[in-house]
Amino acid sequence: QVHLVQSGAEVKKPGSSVRVSCKASGDTFSNYAFIWVRQAPGQGPEWMAGFFPVFGTPTYAQRFRGRLTVNADESTTTFYMDLGGLTSEDTAVYYCARGRPYSGSWYAAFDIWGQGTVVTVSS
Amino acid sequence: QSVLTQPPSVSGAPGQRVTISCTGSSIETGYDVNWYQQIPGKAPKLLIYGNNIRPSEVPDRFSGSKSGASASLAITGLRAEDEGLYYCQSYDPSLSGVFGGGTKLTVL
Repeated sequence: QVHLVQSGAEVKKPGSSVRVSCKASGDTFSNYAFIWVRQAPGQGPEWMAGFFPVFGTPTYAQRFRGRLTVNADESTTTFYMDLGGLTSEDTAVYYCARGRPYSGSWYAAFDIWGQGTVVTVSS
Repeated sequence: QSVLTQPPSVSGAPGQRVTISCTGSSIETGYDVNWYQQIPGKAPKLLIYGNNIRPSEVPDRFSGSKSGASASLAITGLRAEDEGLYYCQSYDPSLSGVFGGGTKLTVL
């Protein structure tokens, strides 16, 4: 059984950066897609970035471009999300999720999710 | 950026059938639609992917469909444990994902 284990809660000052990690255990992550999604208090999920193997490079939601970087360390089966220029609006629960491609296309079914990492931005 | 529109809430009595709609240009363009269930404080759970494919662990009471600019999630034999929030998800032309605003399901 594959599990995604995320790093612990963070409290950050406005203007700083945060790194959240997501370690996959129980399987490799070759040939799988990965996404980062966040959820502000009382709000729905918001897609931040995704990595689809067929494209070979991450794609970023427009509103995060320039201050968001996602990458992976295959040797430790760990994905990372780095978000800079934090403001109070970045206070949210951050999730990683793994998707398995289907239908021979670039699409993936995101059926494995991490437990979430609470990031609080406050002065 | 593409927008996916869902009704804010739906309700039904135990045993009944309810449907949740999701409309938007992403769907009309032809991108696949996924559906998630979320219980407060928990991560989203995948219910349907590829418009109408159900993961093996999801009960067959849940089904998905897509036609034109709209997708739907149907839940039959409604149970108390189905209460929660439901989100559709598709993609925009930059191949970034987009979520619907969510629908709160209440089992009466």
